[in-house]
Amino acid sequence: DTEVTQTPKHLVMGMTNKKSLKCEQHMGHRAMYWYKQKAKKPPELMFVYSYEKLSINESVPSRFSPECPNSSLLNLHLHALQPEDSALYLCASSRLIGVATNEKLFFGSGTQLSVL
Amino acid sequence: KNEVEQSPQNLTAQEGEFITINCSYSVGISALHWLQQHPGGGIVSLFMLSSGKKKHGRLIATINIQEKHSSLHITASHPRDSAVYICAVRLNYQLIWGAGTKLIIKP
Repeated sequence: DTEVTQTPKHLVMGMTNKKSLKCEQHMGHRAMYWYKQKAKKPPELMFVYSYEKLSINESVPSRFSPECPNSSLLNLHLHALQPEDSALYLCASSRLIGVATNEKLFFGSGTQLSVL
Repeated sequence: KNEVEQSPQNLTAQEGEFITINCSYSVGISALHWLQQHPGGGIVSLFMLSSGKKKHGRLIATINIQEKHSSLHITASHPRDSAVYICAVRLNYQLIWGAGTKLIIKP
């Protein structure tokens, strides 16, 4: 199994809603990532988890709250989002993370989020 | 100046043509990735290179570390190859992304 599965594929939410995005992989990868991608732009790194611990937060607003309940799952909890947060949210995983490693990234298909 | 420059930005070709997409970078890197993104989202990692050349099916990727340049070639292109091709370089934990090349292959 070389897949990263993201749910839901599409999400529409209001600015007062609370929702969660889910990401799952069963490749035994110990590094998982959240990226945000606006239309016609490259993905921007949001968070990195390594061995279920948050290792990198790229100054993401607190209305985005990541969670890694176990080595296969990564969630992104959303609360009080703004319309400018509408984007494609991509999850990725790799075997390891680190300066000395060159690990291939495996991406999910993304969740297209619209904030009204 | 962007740290990763891709060319061309857009490329339209006929089915069967040989395709080349170029990537130049200005930083010292540990690896270079070529990725493919179809409309609707999902990104597929095609190659990860730190030296030399790699081949997978009709796709070939090369890198010249001294010249800080990489190319992605597609032989016998097919309409299903139509996608955005992205070069990204690995610098520590970060991927620094190029702007992408939008490739359209016409039947």
